[in-house]
Amino acid sequence: SAVISQKPSRDICQRGTSLTIQCQVDSQVTMMFWYRQQPGQSLTLIATANQGSEATYESGFVIDKFPISRPNLTFSTLTVSNMSPEDSSIYLCSAVGGSYGYTFGSGTRLTVV
Amino acid sequence: SQQGEEDPQALSIQEGENATMNCSYKTSINNLQWYRQNSGRGLVHLILIRSNEREKHSGRLRVTLDTSKKSSSLLITASRAADTASYFCAMEYGNKLVFGAGTILRVKS
Repeated sequence: SAVISQKPSRDICQRGTSLTIQCQVDSQVTMMFWYRQQPGQSLTLIATANQGSEATYESGFVIDKFPISRPNLTFSTLTVSNMSPEDSSIYLCSAVGGSYGYTFGSGTRLTVV
Repeated sequence: SQQGEEDPQALSIQEGENATMNCSYKTSINNLQWYRQNSGRGLVHLILIRSNEREKHSGRLRVTLDTSKKSSSLLITASRAADTASYFCAMEYGNKLVFGAGTILRVKS
């Protein structure tokens, strides 16, 4: 299966600032996704990262708050903008493609103070 | 929302007992997957069952799928303390994977 490198693994940020999370896959994949996992909760799909075009956002998530890039088939970034304490969560990257199923990064644990 | 529901929310059993978790969903799926997440760790893929399958086994895991009832169950037999984790079902709709609310399993030794 593909291996995903996600960084940073954790960060503590001041409210009002932005954080960009990077996701690198070791092989070409068809689809890449970003999820949020709030404390004690399940994973919620934020968006599908589309290569070379705007991401497709799920209900409740907007591009101004969570801009996403995917410049090629193996790399994507998620930015959490103008952060507030409510954005404190684990953010996970996922990818699917080829003969394997879904693979997940190890997550970025974000704390906003 | 396409998010699945899981029950129970939490389950506490003794080592050696069996654990059963249930998942229900709302619309037709391509397949259903089960994942485990240890506290503060990443997701581990456990098993995938396709929409045309009714039952699947992997080691101590048994998964069933009833598409007419839009439900699935995960059975862990002869549980161990190391099975303590959160378990999530995840439904594949088209190209998206949508997760259920999860069951927290605690296995006491």
